[in-house]
Amino acid sequence: ILNVEQSPQSLHVQEGDSTNFTCSFPSSNFYALHWYRWETAKSPEALFVMTLNGDEKKKGRISATLNTKEGYSYLYIKGSQPEDSATYLCAPRRGDKIIFGKGTRLHILP
Amino acid sequence: DTEVTQTPKHLVMGMTNKKSLKCEQHMGHRAMYWYKQKAKKPPELMFVYSYEKLSINESVPSRFSPECPNSSLLNLHLHALQPEDSALYLCASSRSLAGVIQETQYFGPGTRLLVL
Repeated sequence: ILNVEQSPQSLHVQEGDSTNFTCSFPSSNFYALHWYRWETAKSPEALFVMTLNGDEKKKGRISATLNTKEGYSYLYIKGSQPEDSATYLCAPRRGDKIIFGKGTRLHILP
Repeated sequence: DTEVTQTPKHLVMGMTNKKSLKCEQHMGHRAMYWYKQKAKKPPELMFVYSYEKLSINESVPSRFSPECPNSSLLNLHLHALQPEDSALYLCASSRSLAGVIQETQYFGPGTRLLVL
């Protein structure tokens, strides 16, 4: 079983503030890590896929880093906006399967 | 067209009913997936099809029967379900199962199923 832990489970952030959250996973047999954003009543949307230790990806105000040796990834959001409210899922790949974490539910407060 | 569509959006069925969920994509993707997601839990993989052949079955009960009639279409046939099968059923597709970029999945909006 691939244990994927995301923390915190839920997060309230004031609009304009920056924030970050964590995904941890077993570092053995690592292949790739995906981050998805899932807004209520919409489909999960792919944000990033990362493979190499030290990888850093950026998309607008959102960025992610990867540490494959210790088995964690951080997602950062700079200057949070209301549209950032969503559940952020990380999904490391094991073999042919991508296993999803429970997600971090982000609420942006006006 | 970068959309994965799923029908119906909502479905209520009795335990003796037979129903089907449908998923469609026209992105030329050759891998398609069914996930089950219950409240406050992550999506759980059920089935993976690669080039219209069943590649992964995550020990799903036989009351769920997947079908991939062509590369654009994925069905999930439901028969004799239990109330605990009530969940959101998500379909996804990716270019293929090989390669990191190719496996990025595009999700449909899901079918919310209630079994009475």
